[in-house]
Amino acid sequence: GAGVSQSPSNKVTEKGKDVELRCDPISGHTALYWYRQSLGQGLEFLIYFQGNSAPDKSGLPSDRFSAERTGGSVSTLTIQRTQQEDSAVYLCASSLPQLAGLQETQYFGPGTRLLVL
Amino acid sequence: AQSVTQLDSQVPVFEEAPVELRCNYSSSVSVYLFWYVQYPNQGLQLLLKYLSGSTLVKGINGFEAEFNKSQTSFHLRKPSVHISDTAEYFCAVSDGAGSARQLTFGSGTQLTVLP
Repeated sequence: GAGVSQSPSNKVTEKGKDVELRCDPISGHTALYWYRQSLGQGLEFLIYFQGNSAPDKSGLPSDRFSAERTGGSVSTLTIQRTQQEDSAVYLCASSLPQLAGLQETQYFGPGTRLLVL
Repeated sequence: AQSVTQLDSQVPVFEEAPVELRCNYSSSVSVYLFWYVQYPNQGLQLLLKYLSGSTLVKGINGFEAEFNKSQTSFHLRKPSVHISDTAEYFCAVSDGAGSARQLTFGSGTQLTVLP
């Protein structure tokens, strides 16, 4: 079946502009994660959605970052007033929920490469 | 808190030679361990995972890893590498605790297979 898809694949923007990144999870996956991959910082967790529960935003680096998930499926990550240090690859992952205490496997999309000039 | 250390940032190896990519973790609770591979300009692909049971885990593309609790390690091995194995490899850990099960990643190891 189709995997996790993300759009756009590449985005170039000017400092100070807002950007929106989109993630379409695997159908039926109720858990969705955003990660950021940048030089010098590696892969960092940003935010986690599970069903209708309140999202875990503990990884968001600043209040310029926000994300929402409409209808329990598609998610949008928004970065306001972009800065050059926001340049990175933004990865989305989705998973099926498992029984409590078991770790589900996360499946990753191809990422969005963001460059802030 | 949990962390992952991949000591080798780059590993060059000749084609058909064996390879081992090292991963050590720290966690105060039971852990779940993963290896992901990232080919150039692509996302992360799951190679293998350890959740419970046998400590020797076999994955795709001929890779395997062994969970060693006493040494807190989860090293990735392949007996004979191919040019197409050239990629970046990430070790990740999750303790599955709480409401979020985010992965904590190591810094990655760039495997370059030479002809």
